[in-house]
Amino acid sequence: SQTIHQWPATLVQPVGSPLSLECTVEGTSNPNLYWYRQAAGRGLQLLFYSVGIGQISSEVPQNLSASRPQDRQFILSSKKLLLSDSGFYLCAWSVLYGRAVETQYFGPGTRLLVL
Amino acid sequence: AQTVTQSQPEMSVQEAETVTLSCTYDTSESDYYLFWYKQPPSRQMILVIRQEAYKQQNATENRFSVNFQKAAKSFSLKISDSQLGDAAMYFCAYRTTNTNAGKSTFGDGTTLTVKP
Repeated sequence: SQTIHQWPATLVQPVGSPLSLECTVEGTSNPNLYWYRQAAGRGLQLLFYSVGIGQISSEVPQNLSASRPQDRQFILSSKKLLLSDSGFYLCAWSVLYGRAVETQYFGPGTRLLVL
Repeated sequence: AQTVTQSQPEMSVQEAETVTLSCTYDTSESDYYLFWYKQPPSRQMILVIRQEAYKQQNATENRFSVNFQKAAKSFSLKISDSQLGDAAMYFCAYRTTNTNAGKSTFGDGTTLTVKP
C-alpha cells in the first residue's frame, strides 16, 4: 500500500532563516506531487505541483520554491522566511489512471510558525 | 478559473441524526471530479467520497452520500447516523480532467460539530 511521509511535523523558525520541508511517497511510481498551504480555519491553497523529476510548476508567486530530486521526493524550501510564511503545509500525491489523474492523498502535514 | 463555495462556515448535528453540507462550484468544463475531504483536529486530510461528473449516479460510501446536481453545479454531502467521530472540518474540492497535473480547487470548509 502507498504511504506518504512529511517532516518535520512542527517547526518554529525565526524570520530570515532558511526552510526545508520534505515529503516522500512509498509504494507507487511516478506520482504527481503537490504542496499546499492552509491558513488557520481556511481551505487549501496550491503552491507547487510536479508531474516528474525536475519538473516543478508554481501556482502562486511567493517566497518559496520547490524541488523534486527523486521520483518520490518533494522538497519545499525558502532562503529567507517571512512572517507570512507561517501556516500548515500539506504534501499530496496522486497517480494517472487511464484518462485522468484521480484522487489526491495527503500527508500528515507540517505546522510552521515563523517568529 | 474554477471556484468552489461552501456557504456554511459551521454546522451542528445531534448524534445519530442526519446533516447535509452544501457545496457549489463554478466551471465551464463538462468533465471533472468532485471530492469531499474530512479534516479532524489532527489536521490529516482524509478522503470521504468522490464523484465523477460524467456519472449520473450519486456516489455513496457507507453513511456518506452525495447529491450531485450537475446543471445546478451543486455537490452536497449527506452524513447519516452522525457519530461523534464525524466532528471535523469538511472540504469540498474540484478537480479538472483537462490535464494530467490533477490540480484541485478547494472550498473554505465547513466545521461540523456533533452533539452527544
